Amino acid sequence: DTAVSQTPKYLVTQMGNDKSIKCEQNLGHDTMYWYKQDSKKFLKIMFSYNNKELIINETVPNRFSPKSPDKAHLNLHINSLELGDSAVYFCASSQDNSTGYMNTEAFFGQGTRLTVV
Amino acid sequence: GDSVTQMEGPVTLSEEAFLTINCTYTATGYPSLFWYVQYPGEGLQLLLKATKADDKGSNKGFEATYRKETTSFHLEKGSVQVSDSAVYFCALRHSGGSNYKLTFGKGTLLTVNP
Repeated sequence: DTAVSQTPKYLVTQMGNDKSIKCEQNLGHDTMYWYKQDSKKFLKIMFSYNNKELIINETVPNRFSPKSPDKAHLNLHINSLELGDSAVYFCASSQDNSTGYMNTEAFFGQGTRLTVV
Repeated sequence: GDSVTQMEGPVTLSEEAFLTINCTYTATGYPSLFWYVQYPGEGLQLLLKATKADDKGSNKGFEATYRKETTSFHLEKGSVQVSDSAVYFCALRHSGGSNYKLTFGKGTLLTVNP
């Protein structure tokens, strides 16, 4: 049973379109993330949610809007897609206890390869 | 801010060779340290971790020791296999406060030839 699952795995779309990527985790974790991996494999945090609350928004354009309907889901909606948005997007989750002590690893999904043409 | 510096790749080795991938970090306090591996076309998998100074993480023949004095977490394996070919990422995470993210190095591509 997949721990962190993303859909779709591949997404090819034209500039200017709006698209969504869905993420679900069945690990019971309370923190979820979106990371962007560029063509050089560099990973950069985009958003982080803890218990459905936005914690980190790392200077991401307003065209990107995350939504967390519950602790197990974190979706990413992208408006007006641009060529530079082409990348692999990874969803991840981790468990962080209430005292803020976090030494736990994050579990990653398989990634969504977005290609904007 | 936090940062992780990894040795630049790509690294190409013959099977059974010794592997070292250097990783150093800059962070306040005592972060937890991780090595992740990404096989072609896949997501990231945790390879090993260490949560305090002098801890050694190990898995699948890979090892790394948390060195506070040199702010390092170098990855080593005594004898690599073709199946170890992948991209390896060093990462850190704070053990307190509201720092809800992993900070990654740029990744090191390892290719092991038969």
